[in-house]
Amino acid sequence: NAGVTQTPKFQVLKTGQSMTLQCAQDMNHNSMYWYRQDPGMGLRLIYYSASEGTTDKGEVPNGYNVSRLNKREFSLRLESAAPSQTSVYFCASSEPRAKTQYFGPGTRLLVL
Amino acid sequence: DAKTTQPPSMDCAEGRAANLPCNHSTISGNEYVYWYRQIHSQGPQYIIHGLKNNETNEMASLIITEDRKSSTLILPHATLRDTAVYYCIVYNNAGNMLTFGGGTRLMVKP
Repeated sequence: NAGVTQTPKFQVLKTGQSMTLQCAQDMNHNSMYWYRQDPGMGLRLIYYSASEGTTDKGEVPNGYNVSRLNKREFSLRLESAAPSQTSVYFCASSEPRAKTQYFGPGTRLLVL
Repeated sequence: DAKTTQPPSMDCAEGRAANLPCNHSTISGNEYVYWYRQIHSQGPQYIIHGLKNNETNEMASLIITEDRKSSTLILPHATLRDTAVYYCIVYNNAGNMLTFGGGTRLMVKP
């Protein structure tokens, strides 16, 4: 089992460009999450999906959209990237309401 | 969810036990204590969790005080690969969000 996979690993964008971060899990988990981590800081929740077909805002949702494509996949989209969105993005999955979350390796995004 | 307080950094000698404290004085009766760690540049990794009783698994032990206002994560024989940031999180299973604070940066030294 690969667990949680994320693509791409690294990305450089110019201000105003758009991109989609992809996340997939093979653990048959119902819940999936997107976090961002700024240098020297803890993780902050952007959006989560408690189950297929549902999404909810987390702590810092502004500037992002998400799509729960199916049970395996949860994507994060930046429509118009800003330098403030330079960060490392982590995807995670878990059983519903379970706090044992399994994290992917992260996507490092630099917005110039 | 209850707020947690952890020391920003700690050192430990390789082979010795690492004891990482966490204060959660406002914890509610139905809130669990979870520990995760993040090794440099990697995604966080679940370590252990507990409600009232002490817990042990292959990675660590969790000691929760009787009043549940604090806990200690114990790595019994720390290795260089245990160097990481350790996060203590208090969580009510009725919600959906893990809140990661600043954590404790543990440096295991030879």
